[in-house]
Amino acid sequence: AQSVTQLDSQVPVFEEAPVELRCNYSSSVSVYLFWYVQYPNQGLQLLLKYLSGSTLVKGINGFEAEFNKSQTSFHLRKPSVHISDTAEYFCAVSASSGGYQKVTFGIGTKLQVIP
Amino acid sequence: DAGVTQSPTHLIKTRGQQVTLRCSPKSGHDTVSWYQQALGQGPQFIFQYYEEEERQRGNFPDRFSGHQFPNYSSELNVNALLLGDSALYLCASSGRLSGAYNEQFFGPGTRLTVL
Repeated sequence: AQSVTQLDSQVPVFEEAPVELRCNYSSSVSVYLFWYVQYPNQGLQLLLKYLSGSTLVKGINGFEAEFNKSQTSFHLRKPSVHISDTAEYFCAVSASSGGYQKVTFGIGTKLQVIP
Repeated sequence: DAGVTQSPTHLIKTRGQQVTLRCSPKSGHDTVSWYQQALGQGPQFIFQYYEEEERQRGNFPDRFSGHQFPNYSSELNVNALLLGDSALYLCASSGRLSGAYNEQFFGPGTRLTVL
């Protein structure tokens, strides 16, 4: 079984300030990790993914995340946020089960960028 | 490339009714997964279809059933609707044969309201 914990339900931050959204996971097998963004009344858009290789992953819109296997974390960061980054962010973990992938999402973190 | 498409965008039903939601995967994708996203929650995995068979299932009752067609499109059926079935239903596709196995692309969702 796998699970994802997003430690902050809401994160307010001033425009142009840095932000970190935290994500921890648990799994008994190797996993792949993802961050998705969801704007109001829309579906999910992939921000970035970790499949293998370098533990520092760069995504769209200036976001990056670092995979830390020993701490089972995959925190999302951006050095300077913009008003348009206001949205809900979901961390997800994917693991193989019987040859097919199963994706588990966290409950989400609402990022509120304050002008 | 139209990406993942879902229909309808919105739907209102009453308790006890049945509903069918539809999904067309991204071009080149052969695997479809369905998720339920209740208000304020992360997406919850319902089931996944590949080669017209249900390959994995989340913790959802048998009232939730699905189908995949030879052209890879899929339907989600929910019988005997309950108020608690009100949610955004997301479809995601991935390419098991294309090598993009672990990356899912999401549609915009169908908003189901049960009165």
